[in-house]
Amino acid sequence: GQQVMQIPQYQHVQEGEDFTTYCNSSTTLSNIQWYKQRPGGHPVFLIQLVKSGEVKKQKRLTFQFGEAKKNSSLHITATQTTDVGTYFCAGELNNNAGNMLTFGGGTRLMVKP
Amino acid sequence: NAGVTQTPKFRILKIGQSMTLQCAQDMNHNYMYWYRQDPGMGLKLIYYSVGAGITDKGEVPNGYNVSRSTTEDFPLRLELAAPSQTSVYFCASSYSRVRDTQYFGPGTRLTVL
Repeated sequence: GQQVMQIPQYQHVQEGEDFTTYCNSSTTLSNIQWYKQRPGGHPVFLIQLVKSGEVKKQKRLTFQFGEAKKNSSLHITATQTTDVGTYFCAGELNNNAGNMLTFGGGTRLMVKP
Repeated sequence: NAGVTQTPKFRILKIGQSMTLQCAQDMNHNYMYWYRQDPGMGLKLIYYSVGAGITDKGEVPNGYNVSRSTTEDFPLRLELAAPSQTSVYFCASSYSRVRDTQYFGPGTRLTVL
């Protein structure tokens, strides 16, 4: 069935290294959202991308939406220990009734100080 | 605003018992959602509601029931608890459309023994 896939599932980095997580959909997305979940916490909204090829930045975080609106990425420059957590993408499928987001499985980021 | 609140925070059930997970939001959001998150996994939608009196099934509705009698409250009922329902349950809400930011509650950690 239609789903949203994320890779990698886990990533260990040394503090200061860069990190990227990728999100891929089997179908075109109307928009995509990114959430962060700290260990033991709940998902918190980071950003939403709507336009084809859109790029948005939040300090060290860069979010991209693919030209075909089937993939997205989150890149963190110079990771810090505060970046630890699981990053989820969530897409609104283009042929969906419009009532739910489909979440990816998440990428768990671990940062060694 | 308290945002999205959930009770209880933790619960241990015996197989076959029933319980209701409570969720309330004070943001006047129309859309509300119930997700489950198994250890190390992503979020799976159980049920959602687009307004008082309207509910619909998500990806994994079996073993659960919901009701939405008011805009603020969206309880999730587990009947005949099974070990497979051991999970963290998150309630979320959004203003008016699925593409609006989802605000998550702190979660309920449920163990069925």
